[in-house]
Amino acid sequence: DADVTQTPRNRITKTGKRIMLECSQTKGHDRMYWYRQDPGLGLRLIYYSFDVKDINKGEISDGYSVSRQAQAKFSLSLESAIPNQTALYFCATSAQERLGARYTGELFFGEGSRLTVL
Amino acid sequence: AQSVTQLGSHVSVSEGALVLLRCNYSSSVPPYLFWYVQYPNQGLQLLLKYTTGATLVKGINGFEAEFKKSETSFHLTKPSAHMSDAAEYFCAVSRSKTSYDKVIFGPGTSLSVIP
Repeated sequence: DADVTQTPRNRITKTGKRIMLECSQTKGHDRMYWYRQDPGLGLRLIYYSFDVKDINKGEISDGYSVSRQAQAKFSLSLESAIPNQTALYFCATSAQERLGARYTGELFFGEGSRLTVL
Repeated sequence: AQSVTQLGSHVSVSEGALVLLRCNYSSSVPPYLFWYVQYPNQGLQLLLKYTTGATLVKGINGFEAEFKKSETSFHLTKPSAHMSDAAEYFCAVSRSKTSYDKVIFGPGTSLSVIP
């Protein structure tokens, strides 16, 4: 089983609909992220969370919201989807610096959720 | 502010030829540098990373990269391309451990390997 699991993997929806993308992880990491991938733009950070009580906006948070339900779960919502939110969305995790565990900055990614908004 | 540029959105090489994917970064502090690979219909996985120490870093699948501070570069190379290397490659930069960390990705380079 994958360490970082995203559901759904593919979703087609209509403009104005509410959509939730879910992410769960078994890596035991504190930090979780949502990225959006568009051709030619690389990955852009939407939101990130350093623990259950800590949520931060990334560079493109407008039109999105998130919920950190537990250490292992981090969901991304589009309250009213629009066509320019059509993209590939990735959830990622990273380990936090702790005594005996050095921060390396490495991200661990899910397999992605492809969202199409018509 | 940090940024990452990757020269060439698409690179084609013949099987067995040298692979060179270019990455330049801007950072106000010594960075952590990464190369990730994305195979079709998959997420990204780490190829290699530079944090501290030796500037020539070896990764998986025969790839390596050299951190050149004077050139602010972290180019990815592989001596001999294999068909299985066809994928999207992303260079990324992160500040070292600070009050918060954020990884900035380059736009990506799509590598094609011609038989």
